[in-house]
Amino acid sequence: DTGVSQNPRHKITKRGQNVTFRCDPISEHNRLYWYRQTLGQGPEFLTYFQNEAQLEKSRLLSDRFSAERPKGSFSTLEIQRTEQGDSAMYLCASSSDREAFFGQGTRLTVV
Amino acid sequence: GQNIDQPTEMTATEGAIVQINCTYQTSGFNGLFWYQQHAGEAPTFLSYNVLDGLEEKGRFSSFLSRSKGYSYLLLKELQMKDSASYLCAVRRADRGSTLGRLYFGRGTQLTVWP
Repeated sequence: DTGVSQNPRHKITKRGQNVTFRCDPISEHNRLYWYRQTLGQGPEFLTYFQNEAQLEKSRLLSDRFSAERPKGSFSTLEIQRTEQGDSAMYLCASSSDREAFFGQGTRLTVV
Repeated sequence: GQNIDQPTEMTATEGAIVQINCTYQTSGFNGLFWYQQHAGEAPTFLSYNVLDGLEEKGRFSSFLSRSKGYSYLLLKELQMKDSASYLCAVRRADRGSTLGRLYFGRGTQLTVWP
């Protein structure tokens, strides 16, 4: 499978716990994006990388969120001290000039 | 942010043609994307336009007019499985690079009736 891969697909966690998601992009793409989506809304931008450099981070993103792409390949998104409002689908996408593909997403539920 | 507008809902019948419009206002425009998203699933890439005109891909076509800040997605020979949300996304050129982030509209929920 040469598409964008995200793990886990689903995550249920208790409020206050830390969670980490992983994204493996398409190998030829050097751009990697993280988005968050809630019901009835379009994807909301969180951050993106070109190779290992984090180029932009949404100001909507609190200090509890951090993303890394240490070797310019896979990326991780960590949420510390989760809150119920963090419950959403977390989407990763990788892109080239003419295409941008999403992974299947990680659905986070904070209880 | 960017202003991206698309209708919230549309309905059509099987076999028909439907056009989903998207208008946008952005500086540094660098491409427009259309995605299909079924409930509970991730968006699926449909098309990309960066120059004015029509791009055709099977039953789906996408049109762009940069001067008008306008795009549409045309779906022909509608099938029940086309019932989904259709997302319009605009890419804005980034400083130092042409590949900036994508800004999404809220999506148009299309329902196809038999």
